Amino acid sequence: DIQMTQSPSSLSATVGDRVTLTCQASQDITKHLNWFQQKPGKAPKLLIYDASNLETGVPSRFSGSGSGTDFTFTISSLQPEDFATYYCQEYDNLPPYTFGQGTKLEIK
Amino acid sequence: EVQLVESGGGLVQPGGSLRLSCAASGFIFSNYWMSWVRQAPGKGLEWVANIKEDGSEKYYVDSVKGRFTISRDNAKNSLYLQMKSLRAEDTAVYYCARAAWGSYGCFDIWGRGTMVIVSS
Repeated sequence: DIQMTQSPSSLSATVGDRVTLTCQASQDITKHLNWFQQKPGKAPKLLIYDASNLETGVPSRFSGSGSGTDFTFTISSLQPEDFATYYCQEYDNLPPYTFGQGTKLEIK
Repeated sequence: EVQLVESGGGLVQPGGSLRLSCAASGFIFSNYWMSWVRQAPGKGLEWVANIKEDGSEKYYVDSVKGRFTISRDNAKNSLYLQMKSLRAEDTAVYYCARAAWGSYGCFDIWGRGTMVIVSS
């Protein structure tokens, strides 16, 4: 099974900051990588699919890049509503589809 | 409105069974792969199982193989997860998730989840 490693596991930042998260796959997953945002008590929300495509309705301050094994997720200017936990998830070939352990983004 | 609504969660003893349901609305259910994803309290997300549009293919995470069965009824726009031989480690919020059209692992729509607690 593919392992997904996210870093950092937690991050403190301020409104207006540029924030970058990373996700590394244990093997080549081409661009089969998604990013989700989850707020406490809520379901995950898809933000980025296929590594770099912005889901409809998601603000353009969110972006993703990468291919193969190394991926990044960036918020260009943090807004108060962006404080949440972010997960990457691979879906290369057959299941299981593995999520990263998550990055908790907190207010500094 | 595109919507998924889970039901059927609750408290069950170890070794017991439970059947989760997910009612879909606002889209053509039979055109999409569907999955169950769970989240243990305070933990991350774990994909559990998925099923092809017509139900002809099903896949499971190793930890539930032989104990959980995913199924669907396209006439009723419903997804199910039959869970047997439940263990404490199955305690989690269970989410129903739709894979985007033409995809199988890109989850674009999620339900609000149903809580399963396995405890004596």
